[in-house]
Amino acid sequence: AQSVTQLGSHVSVSEGALVLLRCNYSSSVPPYLFWYVQYPNQGLQLLLKYTSAATLVKGINGFEAEFKKSETSFHLTKPSAHMSDAAEYFCAVRTNTGFQKLVFGTGTRLLVSP
Amino acid sequence: EAGVAQSPRYKIIEKRQSVAFWCNPISGHATLYWYQQILGQGPKLLIQFQNNGVVDDSQLPKDRFSAERLKGVDSTLKIQPAKLEDSAVYLCASSPSFLRDSTDTQYFGPGTRLTVL
Repeated sequence: AQSVTQLGSHVSVSEGALVLLRCNYSSSVPPYLFWYVQYPNQGLQLLLKYTSAATLVKGINGFEAEFKKSETSFHLTKPSAHMSDAAEYFCAVRTNTGFQKLVFGTGTRLLVSP
Repeated sequence: EAGVAQSPRYKIIEKRQSVAFWCNPISGHATLYWYQQILGQGPKLLIQFQNNGVVDDSQLPKDRFSAERLKGVDSTLKIQPAKLEDSAVYLCASSPSFLRDSTDTQYFGPGTRLTVL
């Protein structure tokens, strides 16, 4: 079975600071990995996804993530936080075969202060 | 392109009542998903349709939850009777492909927030 662990339910940064949201996965087969963002009272929006091509994946809004097999990690980063980045971020995993479902982590709420 | 539509956006009911949610996926999308998101948790898949057939309903509490996708387009999710622990946001998502190994993005609707009193 696949699973993801997101370290830290809340992360606080100042505007302009580096954003680092952590995600570690568990999978017995090569995984596909995803980061989604959820703004208040809205659905989830895909930020980026890893599907076994390049290990460094660039997404929307200046976010990127690096797949590290040796560390079973897929951390999300952004060099400089904006106030508009404040939201809930979810990491998710699925296998690369069949109709396998997305399995989400518990989420990390990013707080950005002026 | 219109996104995934869901209604109602909010619903408050008392326990043991029944409730239904509606989802209209993005036009042409073959796959439709219903997720349950309890406060403080990530979304959990309840049921996945491929066109109008069920692909995965392993986490659907079938004694009280039911879902259908007639004609492979719109879908409804029903809870009867509702329990307090069903309070959650119910998210609908769709993706284009009918391929088993697809990496297509899932597009999410805004969700229906259910409160059971």
